[in-house]
Amino acid sequence: ETGVTQTPRHLVMGMTNKKSLKCEQHLGHNAMYWYKQSAKKPLELMFVYNFKEQTENNSVPSRFSPECPNSSHLFLHLHTLQPEDSALYLCASSQDLASGLTDTQYFGPGTRLTVL
Amino acid sequence: AQKITQTQPGMFVQEKEAVTLDCTYDTSDQSYGLFWYKQPSSGEMIFLIYQGSYDEQNATEGRYSLNFQKARKSANLVISASQLGDSAMYFCAMREATVAGNQFYFGTGTSLTVIP
Repeated sequence: ETGVTQTPRHLVMGMTNKKSLKCEQHLGHNAMYWYKQSAKKPLELMFVYNFKEQTENNSVPSRFSPECPNSSHLFLHLHTLQPEDSALYLCASSQDLASGLTDTQYFGPGTRLTVL
Repeated sequence: AQKITQTQPGMFVQEKEAVTLDCTYDTSDQSYGLFWYKQPSSGEMIFLIYQGSYDEQNATEGRYSLNFQKARKSANLVISASQLGDSAMYFCAMREATVAGNQFYFGTGTSLTVIP
């Protein structure tokens, strides 16, 4: 596999369920990101990890819980979500946060989440 | 105020013609980076082109070029010789050189449709 992969590609869950999104990057990068993409809105940065350490949490509700066990893997654990959480969740990776302005983020295909 | 503004929600272009997608940005930094991404219906955000604020020449990557006008704070994407496969959403993004190094802003996107 190359690039950034995400599983599952589609997820439907009830408000009381617990599920996890998985992201894996095969680029040798050290920074990983979670974004939420809702219709008609700019991408919203949720979490940033650099060398497995969380560096950014943009006021994300606690029902979203990230985990980064190593630089290649990133998870987003979901519990007691709301219907307004339905969106495309994109994972991205980049070289690392100290690489400067040219540090390009490479994205996975996303997980389309629907909360019933 | 929005950091990235894309004023064209939708654009149409005839196959083989050129098209310009507009992007303006807002920053008080002297050092920043500008990116364009393509998002087909499959969902994956594909990196297209990068322009640094200190780059004197407009960036080019194959059929993509970036019309960078620093004084106007605009970074328009030009796609030459449009192909049917260019039909997608296009997002402009900016990275600012903050201490944390991870402020990355996206616009709301422009939907491009290439007409045969």
